[in-house]
Amino acid sequence: EADIYQTPRYLVIGTGKKITLECSQTMGHDKMYWYQQDPGMELHLIHYSYGVNSTEKGDLSSESTVSRIRTEHFPLTLESARPSHTSQYLCASSDQGRGEKLFFGSGTQLSVL
Amino acid sequence: QKEVEQNSGPLSVPEGAIASLNCTYSDRVSQSFFWYRQYSGKSPELIMSIYSNGDKEDGRFTAQLNKASQYVSLLIRDSQPSDSATYLCAVNPRMDSSYKLIFGSGTRLLVRP
Repeated sequence: EADIYQTPRYLVIGTGKKITLECSQTMGHDKMYWYQQDPGMELHLIHYSYGVNSTEKGDLSSESTVSRIRTEHFPLTLESARPSHTSQYLCASSDQGRGEKLFFGSGTQLSVL
Repeated sequence: QKEVEQNSGPLSVPEGAIASLNCTYSDRVSQSFFWYRQYSGKSPELIMSIYSNGDKEDGRFTAQLNKASQYVSLLIRDSQPSDSATYLCAVNPRMDSSYKLIFGSGTRLLVRP
């Protein structure tokens, strides 16, 4: 079944640790996105990719980095986690064209102590 | 001023009533408008999209767009307790092929049995 997967679902980690949030989709979508969402707040785009080897920073400044080596895989990495990175991270993908429908993964709730 | 504004709510309506959710946006050249539903602890899912002025109906949902007044609304007829969720308005502010949605912070809807 075509879908978009995020792991881990929850992550509690200490300050200074390097972490990678995984995102994979089996729909063959070219466009992929990372959003950050705090409770009761809007989704903020932090990274996006329109295809392999194409990545751009989003509207919200983030200390994270991303890579897109394969169409289906779009991991997000924090080299040194800090408490200010505590948030919900949502990965999404969409097809080309008007790109109206974003498919979201289940999200990763990150807590940095 | 936020680019996409929504009343945070909660909007409380009795079961069977019509729920009306509103959204205003600041960029006049915006072309595409979307409503996403997000249940508590879950990821957003697309429920409606609208591109032209007027109404678009899909089952119990009607999206209304008024570009001159820069607002888009969502009507939910015969509201059910299962409609209780946060409804996110999203706008594509670009006329070109780049596609980065801007989300509002959402309106929380409570449907009372």
